[in-house]
Amino acid sequence: QVQLQESGPGLVKPSGTLSLTCVVSGGSISASNWWSWVRQPPGKGLEWIGEIYHSGNTHYNPSLKSRVTISVDKSKNQFSVKLTSVTAADTAVYYCARVGATTGIDPWGQGTLVTVSS
Amino acid sequence: DIQVTQSPSSLSASVGDRVTITCRASQVIADGLSWYHQKQGQAPTLLIYSASTLQSGVPSRFSGSGSGTDFTLTISSLQPEDVATYYCLQDYTTPLTFGGGTKVEI
Repeated sequence: QVQLQESGPGLVKPSGTLSLTCVVSGGSISASNWWSWVRQPPGKGLEWIGEIYHSGNTHYNPSLKSRVTISVDKSKNQFSVKLTSVTAADTAVYYCARVGATTGIDPWGQGTLVTVSS
Repeated sequence: DIQVTQSPSSLSASVGDRVTITCRASQVIADGLSWYHQKQGQAPTLLIYSASTLQSGVPSRFSGSGSGTDFTLTISSLQPEDVATYYCLQDYTTPLTFGGGTKVEI
């Protein structure tokens, strides 16, 4: 049973860089899936940030593309997201998740709250 | 980008009621739509994928239908544990896009 766990700082200063890592357990990150980041501002809906394949191929949300980088570390079975030049609008719960080819997003990590504040 | 319009934004129903939530995509997405529910304080959970395939372990009172641009999630008999916010997601093409959500209350 694949499980995902996010980790990273819960507080980031404005104009700084948000960095999170997602560790995949119970399965290989090199399996035929995409690995994704999704965020949810407090009290609001879900926003897809982007995804990565184990080969390093990526897709990003155009609204964030200039600020986001997703990378993979196959040796550690994990993937990461970096978001630069953050503002209060980037305050959200950040989820990592596995994306199936035609089978939806499952499973999801438990999520981690990142607050942008000085 | 493909926009996904979800309705209603909220609903209140009684235990045992049949509940229907709809999503409309701005372009044809074949059966590239999945449904999730999110209980308070928890991560979303997959209910339906490929528009109508029930995820393993999900109760059979949940069903999905539709293709092309119009999709429906139906709860045949609402239960207290179904109180949650429901989201659709078009996963036909990137960027993946979510509907705005439907808050279901009893």
